Amino acid sequence: SAVISQKPSRDICQRGTSLTIQCQVDSQVTMMFWYRQQPGQSLTLIATANQGSEATYESGFVIDKFPISRPNLTFSTLTVSNMSPEDSSIYLCSVGDRRGVGELFFGEGSRLTVL
Amino acid sequence: AQKITQTQPGMFVQEKEAVTLDCTYDTSDPSYGLFWYKQPSSGEMIFLIYQGSYDQQNATEGRYSLNFQKARKSANLVISASQLGDSAMYFCAMSPSSGGGADGLTFGKGTHLIIQP
Repeated sequence: SAVISQKPSRDICQRGTSLTIQCQVDSQVTMMFWYRQQPGQSLTLIATANQGSEATYESGFVIDKFPISRPNLTFSTLTVSNMSPEDSSIYLCSVGDRRGVGELFFGEGSRLTVL
Repeated sequence: AQKITQTQPGMFVQEKEAVTLDCTYDTSDPSYGLFWYKQPSSGEMIFLIYQGSYDQQNATEGRYSLNFQKARKSANLVISASQLGDSAMYFCAMSPSSGGGADGLTFGKGTHLIIQP
């Protein structure tokens, strides 16, 4: 299994500002995923972050709003830009592993509240 | 496109009883994987059990078992002898290949399970 650390665990942000969430994994992984979980809702995949290439965004998510970096195989960042109250969510970093059954491992999430 | 449907927004179950959480899925891919996750109020996502589309037998992990009915496209989670600590949100999820979640997962809306003493 992989141990994933996310920072910050929670934050309160002002409208119009940007916040960068960091995700650190204790082992090298090929693919990292960023999910959003709006209050009381399920998880929605934002993008897949591959090392050495640009992130692949899902429908409804764009790079200008959610820029992602993946400088190496153990680290990634997600920035939530020009935030509005609708961006108040839990943002979760996860990694996949093709060994075993290949389940996703999740970080503890970053709970953002935008005022 | 893949779709996961969980029709039970919430369930109340008496402690020590068995509980079944429903999950149906839709996909045109012959190869896929099905997962169940538990999310307690703390927010962490805990992997519970996995079923590959080509697996002949239903998956089991301790008190968790997966009732996989491929023809009906259902993958219900069964929790035997429920405990108070089982109270949480439960999400059914699917991956686009039976190689597992390394391709990203599509999640259902979840079921809020409450175990009553």
